[in-house]
Amino acid sequence: GENVEQHPSTLSVQEGDSAVIKCTYSDSASNYFPWYKQELGKRPQLIIDIRSNVGEKKDQRIAVTLNKTAKHFSLHITETQPEDSAVYFCAATPKGGNAGNMLTFGGGTRLMVKP
Amino acid sequence: DAMVIQNPRYQVTQFGKPVTLSCSQTLNHNVMYWYQQKSSQAPKLLFHYYDKDFNNEADTPDNFQSRRPNTSFCFLDIRSPGLGDAAMYLCATSRRLAGGGGEQYFGPGTRLTVT
Repeated sequence: GENVEQHPSTLSVQEGDSAVIKCTYSDSASNYFPWYKQELGKRPQLIIDIRSNVGEKKDQRIAVTLNKTAKHFSLHITETQPEDSAVYFCAATPKGGNAGNMLTFGGGTRLMVKP
Repeated sequence: DAMVIQNPRYQVTQFGKPVTLSCSQTLNHNVMYWYQQKSSQAPKLLFHYYDKDFNNEADTPDNFQSRRPNTSFCFLDIRSPGLGDAAMYLCATSRRLAGGGGEQYFGPGTRLTVT
């Protein structure tokens, strides 16, 4: 089955700096890679996702890059703000069949943005 | 924002006393999931339904059962809660895509306390 490793587990940055969170996955058949943000006591919410036919995707201050050969993908947040403070989870989904919607989550990264 | 609704938001039960958590959705998604999330950890999939087809994760304890009487509703039954079952329980839904990789929409969660 799929295995997703996420690093670092905690990340502290100064407001305005960039933050990068990295994930690796094991199943080369995985084709969908979402990133979820979870604020304390709230639901995980999708912030950006990427499919295996794309190498990079950007949405305002957030970008995700995917390297299929190396089986890793990264979340980049630029110009961080205190409201970016949360736990971020990467995930991977294998292609096809009933497993096609299953998410294998990374362990999470607690991002703290200091004002 | 009330697309996936969970009730109650907070549930306190006694050790060994059965408890039922409920989830409803207005998205008409054919896949529904139940996750358990403990503090500072990634959500752990317990089981999911593709329409009425029930799929249990291999390591989900027998103590956990689920029912999906129709497309909109899904229930999580914990037959004999133990102290280790105290957690946030998240319901999620998605549309199953032929190529895999549909976004999962999470409910706000039910925080279960076992006394």
